[in-house]
Amino acid sequence: AQTVTQSQPEMSVQEAETVTLSCTYDTSESDYYLFWYKQPPSRQMILVIRQEAYKQQNATENRFSVNFQKAAKSFSLKISDSQLGDAAMYFCAYRSAGYFGNEKLTFGTGTRLTIIP
Amino acid sequence: GAGVSQSPSNKVTEKGKDVELRCDPISGHTALYWYRQSLGQGLEFLIYFQGNSAPDKSGLPSDRFSAERTGGSVSTLTIQRTQQEDSAVYLCASSLDPRDRSYGYTFGSGTRLTVV
Repeated sequence: AQTVTQSQPEMSVQEAETVTLSCTYDTSESDYYLFWYKQPPSRQMILVIRQEAYKQQNATENRFSVNFQKAAKSFSLKISDSQLGDAAMYFCAYRSAGYFGNEKLTFGTGTRLTIIP
Repeated sequence: GAGVSQSPSNKVTEKGKDVELRCDPISGHTALYWYRQSLGQGLEFLIYFQGNSAPDKSGLPSDRFSAERTGGSVSTLTIQRTQQEDSAVYLCASSLDPRDRSYGYTFGSGTRLTVV
């Protein structure tokens, strides 16, 4: 079974600075997808960025980028120019790419990000 | 609808009572998922529906938990004889086509269940 580990329960960053959230995972599969979700106080999970394991190029979405290290099974999220609206819980998630009937996302325990004005 | 809708937003119930949580997925989304988020924890998979196929119930924690999806759309999660450890946020999500695993889910805002 796949597992996802986020070792930083809480992080804080000064507004306009850059912060990196860590995520590692364990899998025996070679093809899969990785995601970062943001959960603000409204509770709704919002997809921030996704990465296909077969792509070597790191995904980027505006101020959000990932550092995907497949061999190390590491998938960190970098937030540049942090803004007050970035304050939230961030969850890393894994999804198998093969059709094994296993459709679910497996989530880490989350990192609470605080932005300091 | 435009998004995944869940009701009620908050529910307080007495221990031992039954509760029903509702999820209305995005129109056209064939896959529907229920997750539970306990305080300070990640998301725990509960159950998955895909079209008319038999649901994947492998995440349900006990036989007090059940769920159904009527007409391939609205889903109801039922918890019988609620216990205090059932207190959590219950999140529903839907997905357009699970065969394309690159899709993430679209989540609702959840139901916060408090058992007193």
